[in-house]
Amino acid sequence: AQSVSQHNHHVILSEAASLELGCNYSYGGTVNLFWYVQYPGQHLQLLLKYFSGDPLVKGIKGFEAEFIKSKFSFNLRKPSVQWSDTAEYFCAVNAPQAGRRALTFGSGTRLQVQP
Amino acid sequence: DVKVTQSSRYLVKRTGEKVFLECVQDMDHENMFWYRQDPGLGLRLIYFSYDVKMKEKGDIPEGYSVSREKKERFSLILESASTNQTSMYLCASRGGSGEKLFFGSGTQLSVL
Repeated sequence: AQSVSQHNHHVILSEAASLELGCNYSYGGTVNLFWYVQYPGQHLQLLLKYFSGDPLVKGIKGFEAEFIKSKFSFNLRKPSVQWSDTAEYFCAVNAPQAGRRALTFGSGTRLQVQP
Repeated sequence: DVKVTQSSRYLVKRTGEKVFLECVQDMDHENMFWYRQDPGLGLRLIYFSYDVKMKEKGDIPEGYSVSREKKERFSLILESASTNQTSMYLCASRGGSGEKLFFGSGTQLSVL
């Protein structure tokens, strides 16, 4: 079965530090990859997505992610975090061509940015 | 913007009760989903529906059923609630498979 692993469960950074959150998935075929964010008290919203093409994708609020097919990874990055980036981040995958239309989510990474 | 509305923000039920969670979307989306969100486990798919009266089991369907009689409404049913079903329930909708999910605000269900 398809699975998504987020190895960092809780990350604490100071403002202006760089961020990299890891995401690995298990499916070997063609996949669509997503990062969602949940700010405190808000519903989940899309940060960025990758379907094909340039493996480096840029999203909202200065986030980017790089798809490395050989490593089955889709890590999220931001060069300089802000206090407002405090949130929970979820990596997600689907594989519509293989019949998996619904998204499989990772367990999430809670990011705490200290001012 | 798309709106996904879940009927209750907080719900407290007793063990053995039948529980209905309602979700309505206003963008004529074909696909609707029910997830539950638990600390440390992320979001897990319970059921989804890709058309009216069509449904597919997700990863954790046991103890749940769903109903989709109209395109805009997707209901999650707990036939006999148990304490291990205490969780945050999230409804989402989407157009095509490559499009983003729109989430509701969630229903925090406590089963006592």
